[in-house]
Amino acid sequence: QTVVTQEPSLTVSPGGTVTLTCASGTGAVTRGCLPNWFQQKPGQPPRTLIYTTSHKHSWTPARFSGSLLGGKAALTLSGVQPEDEADYYCLLYCGATWVFGGGTKLTV
Amino acid sequence: QVQLVHSGAEVKKPGASVRISCMASGFTFTGYHFHWVRQAPGQGLEWMGIITPSSGATVYGQKFQGRVTMTWDTSTSTVYMDLSGLRSEDTAVYYCARELSGGSFDFWGQGTLVTVSS
Repeated sequence: QTVVTQEPSLTVSPGGTVTLTCASGTGAVTRGCLPNWFQQKPGQPPRTLIYTTSHKHSWTPARFSGSLLGGKAALTLSGVQPEDEADYYCLLYCGATWVFGGGTKLTV
Repeated sequence: QVQLVHSGAEVKKPGASVRISCMASGFTFTGYHFHWVRQAPGQGLEWMGIITPSSGATVYGQKFQGRVTMTWDTSTSTVYMDLSGLRSEDTAVYYCARELSGGSFDFWGQGTLVTVSS
């Protein structure tokens, strides 16, 4: 099974910018991997922030953006707020099955 | 509004089976795929499989093949996930999540806690 790798933890100051990445063990992440990004706070179910690389839902704050960067999927937070402290997970479509990354714990 | 409502928490003994349900409302049930995802205590998310009610198609994660069965009931807009041969490592919160075709995830259920303990 494909291994999907994220940074285990990142720290950012309020108002700063941070980029979380999502790498595939089988090679470059492409749009065909249909990257999704989820935010999860303690005791809550995940919330979808970004789907199919860069598309936002109506509830996704404008400071979140998704892209492909250097062969990885990326989630960038610009102007980080204290409420952005959470776990973030990427999900990739890897040949008929889906695989989550291990998650990034973001500390603000 | 869109809702995915899970069945209640379960406590099972090792070797038993569990059935979890996820009832959809507020949208056309057959227009979407439904994924099952689990999260062990303090751990990350783990994809288990997908069911597409409009076609009956299922795809299971390799780790769960042989132990998991996903079904649906269109009359009640409910998807089910059966997991057999439970062991302590299956203790987790189990979530259903909705996907529109093409990889567009959106709504998640609140989850069902399954505890496996002798």
